[in-house]
Amino acid sequence: GDSVTQMEGPVTLSEEAFLTINCTYTATGYPSLFWYVQYPGEGLQLLLKATKADDKGSNKGFEATYRKETTSFHLEKGSVQVSDSAVYFCALRSYGKLTFGQGTILTVHP
Amino acid sequence: GAVVSQHPSRVICKSGTSVKIECRSLDFQATTMFWYRQFPKQSLMLMATSNEGSKATYEQGVEKDKFLINHASLTLSTLTVTSAHPEDSSFYICSAPGRFTDTQYFGPGTRLTVL
Repeated sequence: GDSVTQMEGPVTLSEEAFLTINCTYTATGYPSLFWYVQYPGEGLQLLLKATKADDKGSNKGFEATYRKETTSFHLEKGSVQVSDSAVYFCALRSYGKLTFGQGTILTVHP
Repeated sequence: GAVVSQHPSRVICKSGTSVKIECRSLDFQATTMFWYRQFPKQSLMLMATSNEGSKATYEQGVEKDKFLINHASLTLSTLTVTSAHPEDSSFYICSAPGRFTDTQYFGPGTRLTVL
């Protein structure tokens, strides 16, 4: 079946540091790929998405590129802020069903 | 943007009792809602798809008699954990699809603790 594997956390960074959270997937068909973010006390929110190979999703300074050859969708941000502290989930959508990674807790210190 | 709410946010109950969790779409109608379960440090696992006006569709391995789902209106779906046991303790999250492809709106989750 489909699966998503995320880099284990927690990840702790200083403000303005570079962020990478790795994500790889296994899926049948041609999935869409997503990154969701969950801030404390709130529901998951879509951060960015990519629907086909080589697409790059971007939002709020975050980027991720759909790499079919490596089945990866790594999340990056060049300079993190304290307000980026949250839980990040990588996910794929195939045949209408969402499959999530286990989530990565990111804490950014001033 | 669209908002999905859940109530309660946190519930503690005794073993053997039943607990109802509500999921509401606040400013849009949802003919379909999804219920997920999340264990600590693990991913969200889809439990069932709730369909307004018809029976829910359960994922393999999910006991439909234990996790009762009712989608009574276009803005409300409920999950009832019947005869709860400590192993049912978990974080339950609902979501509803938006108007556009690949859009999902998630509730903030309900933390269930069964003593």
